[in-house]
Amino acid sequence: DAKTTQPPSMDCAEGRAANLPCNHSTISGNEYVYWYRQIHSQGPQYIIHGLKNNETNEMASLIITEDRKSSTLILPHATLRDTAVYYCIVRGNFGNEKLTFGTGTRLTIIP
Amino acid sequence: GAVVSQHPSRVICKSGTSVKIECRSLDFQATTMFWYRQFPKQSLMLMATSNEGSKATYEQGVEKDKFLINHASLTLSTLTVTSAHPEDSSFYICSARDPLTGMRNEQYFGPGTRLTVT
Repeated sequence: DAKTTQPPSMDCAEGRAANLPCNHSTISGNEYVYWYRQIHSQGPQYIIHGLKNNETNEMASLIITEDRKSSTLILPHATLRDTAVYYCIVRGNFGNEKLTFGTGTRLTIIP
Repeated sequence: GAVVSQHPSRVICKSGTSVKIECRSLDFQATTMFWYRQFPKQSLMLMATSNEGSKATYEQGVEKDKFLINHASLTLSTLTVTSAHPEDSSFYICSARDPLTGMRNEQYFGPGTRLTVT
């Protein structure tokens, strides 16, 4: 899997949009960008994934740059329950591709 | 989304004993399940890939004789930590892939099992 780089921690005010960046400059053409989050002492939760187009679902939006070397996860209206470690992972999308977790970004939502 | 459960959620055992952790996919059949370990303040580390009806594939550095994995059905995989020692104390998390999700191919994670070896 291609490596990703994320800031170790970020703060965001409650109600504001949280923008979490991820660099993946060595991503290959058939690799997707996945985002998971892990709330303290729980299993990771899938958020969203994309290949090259921007994606949006009920949880978040994913913006991928045109050269695909970086992306941003956007939580439009952060709540206290969004406090978690967010992992950006790059992997292929077929077969039993493994997920390789990096260190992620610890997002703290401030009341 | 699909639901994956783990049992037990917490277990405390004495050094030298064995502990079995169960991972179940509740509303889908999972031909492949994954086992991770997470130490405090660290990220998840993949231990092994469990395939239904065949032997598990272990990651480099993971002792297959110490961490026994059985994936006997399409909804159940078990991880047995044999002869547990205090350094095996960790948060063990499983995930399962629903092959029917097509291109989504995301993995669904269980809630984790906290093992403490005294």
